Amino acid sequence: GAGVSQSPSNKVTEKGKDVELRCDPISGHTALYWYRQSLGQGLEFLIYFQGNSAPDKSGLPSDRFSAERTGGSVSTLTIQRTQQEDSAVYLCASSYRQGSTEAFFGQGTRLTVV
Amino acid sequence: DQQVKQNSPSLSVQEGRISILNCDYTNSMFDYFLWYKKYPAEGPTFLISISSIKDKNEDGRFTVFLNKSAKHLSLHIVPSQPGDSAVYFCAAGGRGSSNTGKLIFGQGTTLQVKP
Repeated sequence: GAGVSQSPSNKVTEKGKDVELRCDPISGHTALYWYRQSLGQGLEFLIYFQGNSAPDKSGLPSDRFSAERTGGSVSTLTIQRTQQEDSAVYLCASSYRQGSTEAFFGQGTRLTVV
Repeated sequence: DQQVKQNSPSLSVQEGRISILNCDYTNSMFDYFLWYKKYPAEGPTFLISISSIKDKNEDGRFTVFLNKSAKHLSLHIVPSQPGDSAVYFCAAGGRGSSNTGKLIFGQGTTLQVKP
């Protein structure tokens, strides 16, 4: 596709369950970001992948959160033992390279933990 | 530690007037800045950016101003249109060795343009 694709668009899960969120970046983009937006809040940085460099995981809120990027393309954000405070919109973005090039966002995955 | 701050959560302006959205940052290593617009249920979309070597960048109705000494940037929209009503986020990034290049976003400002 032409843009960043995220799946699923909506996910309702029970507290304590694990969830996986997927991001397909724009083809050829070397940088990939995960952010989340909780209700009424701004965009909170989670993790950043740039090419073959070690990812910047400084924004992950706890060790229940992890992400990987396979083959420099698709990325999966995994949340283990979900909690109600994990409920948010999880946004993925990609950019062509590190630097001033803008990042393009997907539509997001709305996660609701009940 | 909020490195990028948008202190006004909301702004309301009349159609045709100027909208000014403000953003402050604390990290002097940031050397490029961007503005994004977000409609409900959609991902943010890129509006305009500026490099730290410039103090102004203009694209149609949108102009971004950067004041490095004050660590402040602003987005001017003139004339404002009802379709501009959205949440606006500023973002900052750095290419220096001390920064991985990640983009840090502010909390957002909700702009309402009244007809």
